[in-house]
Amino acid sequence: EAGVVQSPRYKIIEKKQPVAFWCNPISGHNTLYWYRQNLGQGPELLIRYENEEAVDDSQLPKDRFSAERLKGVDSTLKIQPAELGDSAVYLCASSDQTGIYEQYFGPGTRLTVT
Amino acid sequence: RKEVEQDPGPFNVPEGATVAFNCTYSNSASQSFFWYRQDCRKEPKLLMSVYSSGNEDGRFTAQLNRASQYISLLIRDSKLSDSATYLCVVILGTGGFKTIFGAGTRLFVKA
Repeated sequence: EAGVVQSPRYKIIEKKQPVAFWCNPISGHNTLYWYRQNLGQGPELLIRYENEEAVDDSQLPKDRFSAERLKGVDSTLKIQPAELGDSAVYLCASSDQTGIYEQYFGPGTRLTVT
Repeated sequence: RKEVEQDPGPFNVPEGATVAFNCTYSNSASQSFFWYRQDCRKEPKLLMSVYSSGNEDGRFTAQLNRASQYISLLIRDSKLSDSATYLCVVILGTGGFKTIFGAGTRLFVKA
C-alpha cells in the first residue's frame, strides 16, 4: 500500500514569492492534516479536512495561507506571499475514521525562504 | 503554559539502559494519547497508543495517569536504533477532535 505522498520534497524561494505544496493521502483515508514543524519543535496543526470539508483551520494564518481539498482526495497548501518565518517542514498526514485515529505522515516538504 | 509539555532532554544513555520519558497535558478533555517516534529529518511515525490500563509492546511500555494528567514511556534494554526524538501526542475531544504534539524528547543511545 502506498503511503502519503508529498511534493516537492524541498523548496527554496525568496520572500514575497508564492509557494504551493501538494499531498496525496493514503487511499481511503477521509481525514487529511497539514502540519508545520519548526526545528526542535513538534508538528503544529494548520488545518484538518474531513473529506472536502475543512473542519479545523483555527491555526491557519489566513492572511497568507490557503488550502483546498477538492474531491476529498489530494490537497494543496499555498502560501502567498511567503515570509522568512515560514521556513519550516510542512507535513501532510492522513487517517481513517476507525479505531485509534492513527495518523500516517508523508515525508514532508522542507521550505526555505531567503 | 503549553497544552502538552515533555521532558526537554536530550537523554544520553548507554546501550542496555532503561530510560523513561514523561509528558503532561493541561486539558482534562483530552481523550486519546499516543507516542510517536521521529528520526532525524524523517516524518513522525506512530510508536504506540496509550491506554488507561497501560500498554506494553516488547521493550516499550506506555502508561496514562488521568488524575495527574500525564503519560509516560519506558524503554527497557535500550538499543542504538532507539536513538530518535519521541513525541507525545494528545487528542482533545471525540467528534471534533484536535491533535496536539509535544515538542519532543531527544534520546541518544551510545555503545
